[in-house]
Amino acid sequence: NAGVMQNPRHLVRRRGQEARLRCSPMKGHSHVYWYRQLPEEGLKFMVYLQKENIIDESGMPKERFSAEFPKEGPSILRIQQVVRGDSAAYFCASSLTWGLASNTDTQYFGPGTRLTVL
Amino acid sequence: GQQVMQIPQYQHVQEGEDFTTYCNSSTTLSNIQWYKQRPGGHPVFLIQLVKSGEVKKQKRLTFQFGEAKKNSSLHITATQTTDVGTYFCALAGGTSYGKLTFGQGTILTVHP
Repeated sequence: NAGVMQNPRHLVRRRGQEARLRCSPMKGHSHVYWYRQLPEEGLKFMVYLQKENIIDESGMPKERFSAEFPKEGPSILRIQQVVRGDSAAYFCASSLTWGLASNTDTQYFGPGTRLTVL
Repeated sequence: GQQVMQIPQYQHVQEGEDFTTYCNSSTTLSNIQWYKQRPGGHPVFLIQLVKSGEVKKQKRLTFQFGEAKKNSSLHITATQTTDVGTYFCALAGGTSYGKLTFGQGTILTVHP
C-alpha cells in the first residue's frame, strides 16, 4: 500500500522562476494538506484541499502561491516568481476523512520536496 | 487561532537516560497529536489524545493529556540512538477545519 508520494524530492530554482510541487495522496484518500517547514523550524499549515475544492487556504501567502487538487491526477502546489525566502521543505499530507476525531482522520505525510532558490 | 508552546527546544541525553517533552496551551484543547521527524525525514504520526487525563503507551513511549486538557507530554524511557529526531505536538482542527497547528518541536540527541 503506497504511501503519500511527492515529486520532485529536490528542486532548485533561480529567483523569478516557477516551482511546481506534486503530491499523490495515499490510495483512497481525498483530503490533502500542504505544509511548509523552514530550516530549524516547525511545520506551518498552508492549505487544505479536497477533490477539486480548496477548503482552507488560510496559511497560503496572498501572492505567488496557489494550489489545486484536480479530479484526476496529483495535487499541485505552484509558486510563481520564487524568491530566496521560499527555500524550504514542502510537505504534503493526506487523510481518509476529517472531522470524525477517529484514526481515519490521521494525516500521513509524504517525504517532502526540498526547494532551494538560488 | 489556537497555539501551543513546546519545551525544551533541545535535549541532549546519554543513551539509557529518560527524555520528556512538554506542550502547553493557554486554552483548552479538543485533542493533541504527537509526531516524530527523523533528521532529513518527514513527520510520522505517533498518537492522538482526546480525553482528559488520558495516558497511552507505545513500548518505551508514554503520552499524557492533562486533566484540564491544556497540556500534554511525551516521555521516553531508556532512550536509544534510534530515538533521535524532532518530536512535535500538534493540534487538529479547532477554528480552522482540517488544519494541524504544530508546536516548535523538541530536537532530541542521544549520545551512545
